[in-house]
Amino acid sequence: SQQGEEDPQALSIQEGENATMNCSYKTSINNLQWYRQNSGRGLVHLILIRSNEREKHSGRLRVTLDTSKKSSSLLITASRAADTASYFCATTSVGNQFYFGTGTSLTVIP
Amino acid sequence: GAVVSQHPSRVICKSGTSVKIECRSLDFQATTMFWYRQFPKQSLMLMATSNEGSKATYEQGVEKDKFLINHASLTLSTLTVTSAHPEDSSFYICSASTSGRGETQYFGPGTRLLVL
Repeated sequence: SQQGEEDPQALSIQEGENATMNCSYKTSINNLQWYRQNSGRGLVHLILIRSNEREKHSGRLRVTLDTSKKSSSLLITASRAADTASYFCATTSVGNQFYFGTGTSLTVIP
Repeated sequence: GAVVSQHPSRVICKSGTSVKIECRSLDFQATTMFWYRQFPKQSLMLMATSNEGSKATYEQGVEKDKFLINHASLTLSTLTVTSAHPEDSSFYICSASTSGRGETQYFGPGTRLLVL
């Protein structure tokens, strides 16, 4: 079964608002990654956060990791229409198993 | 940097034929390449992991005789769907990494396969 469950499944916001997506997983991990996928395209790597890190930033992206709760969040600040895409978390378990989450479909309305 | 290409981007074939999909890392040497399939509005499912010069490691439930993977060089891996059937229709995506599966993977644009 897949490792990560993402919440919400779909999110629709106005341009300029912040978007928050959550990812929960089941087993201990070495790292967690966030990817973005435009419709019908491949994935683009956004951020990798390791198990000993709690927060990471990259431009308008902020990722947090709470290993005690087995969860991560991706925050996109000041969203733009071009941010419309599906966002997936992916975990690498301690046993080196790699799974993608179920994904969040984000729509940013201009 | 870190560009991965896939060819073809789309393929339509008749049931029973075999289809080969190529995955190339254009500007780096990929120690490891991965093959995924994705059904509409679903997440990616890892099919197999291949290391250059060795046999691919298939995930549970993936038939290795059905999905032949060859990783002949550090920049090229191929996936051959043998005797394709309509249920094999899917979006196939490859990725490449300079290390293992747990590190950053660079994804190709995907290949949409439709089996009639």
